[in-house]
Amino acid sequence: AQSVAQPEDQVNVAEGNPLTVKCTYSVSGNPYLFWYVQYPNRGLQFLLKYITGDNLVKGSYGFEAEFNKSQTSFHLKKPSALVSDSALYFCAVRRVYGNKLVFGAGTILRVKS
Amino acid sequence: DVKVTQSSRYLVKRTGEKVFLECVQDMDHENMFWYRQDPGLGLRLIYFSYDVKMKEKGDIPEGYSVSREKKERFSLILESASTNQTSMYLCASQNTMGGRSYGYTFGSGTRLTVV
Repeated sequence: AQSVAQPEDQVNVAEGNPLTVKCTYSVSGNPYLFWYVQYPNRGLQFLLKYITGDNLVKGSYGFEAEFNKSQTSFHLKKPSALVSDSALYFCAVRRVYGNKLVFGAGTILRVKS
Repeated sequence: DVKVTQSSRYLVKRTGEKVFLECVQDMDHENMFWYRQDPGLGLRLIYFSYDVKMKEKGDIPEGYSVSREKKERFSLILESASTNQTSMYLCASQNTMGGRSYGYTFGSGTRLTVV
């Protein structure tokens, strides 16, 4: 069975500092990995995905994520945080041969000015 | 851009009522999903559908049913609403053309309160 762990309920960072939101996964076979962001009272918006190829994936709003197969991790990063990045972030995984996404519990990111 | 539209942003219903949550997508996607979102639990899959009149149970189907009579519309039904079904409900669709499928496009969500 697939599963995703986001070990931090909340991440606090100062504006301008780098940020990391952690994600580890478990899946049989090769994974497809995703990050989504949710602003208050809104649906989820797609940020980026890893399908195959380069382990460093770049996405929307300056975010990037690094796929690490040996550590089964897919951490979300941004070199310089903005206050507007404050939101709820979800990591998700699915098997290559499958349709269903399994989501982590989410991590609240708070960026303070 | 793909649009996934959920008919209501906020709903308040009474215990025991039959509740319909509607979701419509405009890009001819094959797969559609219903999730509920609760704090600390993330998103949990209720049901999904990969074609008209086809459905499969997700991880938490109890107390729910679904209907997909047309490709663009996927309805979630609470047969007899209970207070533990108070939650945010998210609909998503997924394109599987060419035999490949990747991520989802989500609607804005329906926040349901059962009193």
